[in-house]
Amino acid sequence: KAGVTQTPRYLIKTRGQQVTLSCSPISGHRSVSWYQQTPGQGLQFLFEYFSETQRNKGNFPGRFSGRQFSNSRSEMNVSTLELGDSALYLCASSRGDRGRGEQYFGPGTRLTVT
Amino acid sequence: EDQVTQSPEALRLQEGESSSLNCSYTVSGLRGLFWYRQDPGKGPEFLFTLYSAGEEKEKERLKATLTKKESFLHITAPKPEDSATYLCASSYNTDKLIFGTGTRLQVFP
Repeated sequence: KAGVTQTPRYLIKTRGQQVTLSCSPISGHRSVSWYQQTPGQGLQFLFEYFSETQRNKGNFPGRFSGRQFSNSRSEMNVSTLELGDSALYLCASSRGDRGRGEQYFGPGTRLTVT
Repeated sequence: EDQVTQSPEALRLQEGESSSLNCSYTVSGLRGLFWYRQDPGKGPEFLFTLYSAGEEKEKERLKATLTKKESFLHITAPKPEDSATYLCASSYNTDKLIFGTGTRLQVFP
């Protein structure tokens, strides 16, 4: 069974630009969650999508947004990039059993903002 | 606010020297307690999910246990390839995972 895939793996952007990251979940999984990982803050929850609807949202500014398509693939967008947005962005997929059941992570997208 | 606390922050072991990692979590409403392993520059790798106090799960040299207020990851006779950061996370009626800051494990031959 193929795992969670994320594209691109690495990205360098300039402050003020916007970026779109993509995540393809494990086949049959309907929930996709996004996390930001930085050395100082660890893994922080951004949002979760289930059946094309945002089901849960973390404490990030509105510059961070996402969506999910009918095939469960998900994208997240960050507008007006800031230096502090440099991080490893991870997505995780699951069946969506509201906290029960395994959640599997992709390899991440390393975003560097200069 | 729901919280997860892991200890120690870092652990250095000699190959074959068994030890345990600790994870304390907010008890009320817990739906699942997760353990992950993360290697540098990679995404977290799923290890275990525990759902109720008294539950135990094993995989090779790793064994995870859950009590009413904390979870332990026991590492028996570790090898250098077990070196990684081990993350604990909890869930409460949503798929949002609340992560601890991790324990960085180094195993020396």
